[in-house]
Amino acid sequence: AQKITQTQPGMFVQEKEAVTLDCTYDTSDPSYGLFWYKQPSSGEMIFLIYQGSYDQQNATEGRYSLNFQKARKSANLVISASQLGDSAMYFCAMREEKAAGNKLTFGGGTRVLVKP
Amino acid sequence: SAVISQKPSRDICQRGTSLTIQCQVDSQVTMMFWYRQQPGQSLTLIATANQGSEATYESGFVIDKFPISRPNLTFSTLTVSNLSPEDSSIYLCSVKPNHIGYTFGSGTRLTVV
Repeated sequence: AQKITQTQPGMFVQEKEAVTLDCTYDTSDPSYGLFWYKQPSSGEMIFLIYQGSYDQQNATEGRYSLNFQKARKSANLVISASQLGDSAMYFCAMREEKAAGNKLTFGGGTRVLVKP
Repeated sequence: SAVISQKPSRDICQRGTSLTIQCQVDSQVTMMFWYRQQPGQSLTLIATANQGSEATYESGFVIDKFPISRPNLTFSTLTVSNLSPEDSSIYLCSVKPNHIGYTFGSGTRLTVV
């Protein structure tokens, strides 16, 4: 079974509007971390936001916020006030505490295109 | 947060040859991770490189094809051997410098012709 699922392969969003990127995960480990990364066409991976499984509040970083619904095992990324520079691939990833080696498992990604 | 210098940024290689990718980190880290990203796909972990021991490979990846060196706590290389067009991908190294974040190198875009 997929550990990280991103159901939206691609999305268009109007500049200055908000967009929500879906991410669901599957784990039996009570301790885990969830990450979102942005990958522009240049290929680099840019860390956006982190949510720990025991965190009581949803994470926020500037225009990025994470809608963490633990019971539903979802960790959706919300980008507010979209900018043209937000056009990129976005990956959700998970680290399970009990997994050997602290490795990250990535979802399939969502391509976002911001329209002017 | 750690800074990673990854080289080369891109290369075009003939099939049957090998390419060695280097990652230099500006601080000491225990683990370094190597990922492959095939065209239009997500990142797949190739192996985890620990200093002083052999790398741990994920299912589907073998040492003969992807030999890794980790001579010290700031440096690692990944070699992609006996190249075929199917090896055309972006290869990325990554480290976990603190309890939260993972930092990635800028990636190596490999094209095999």
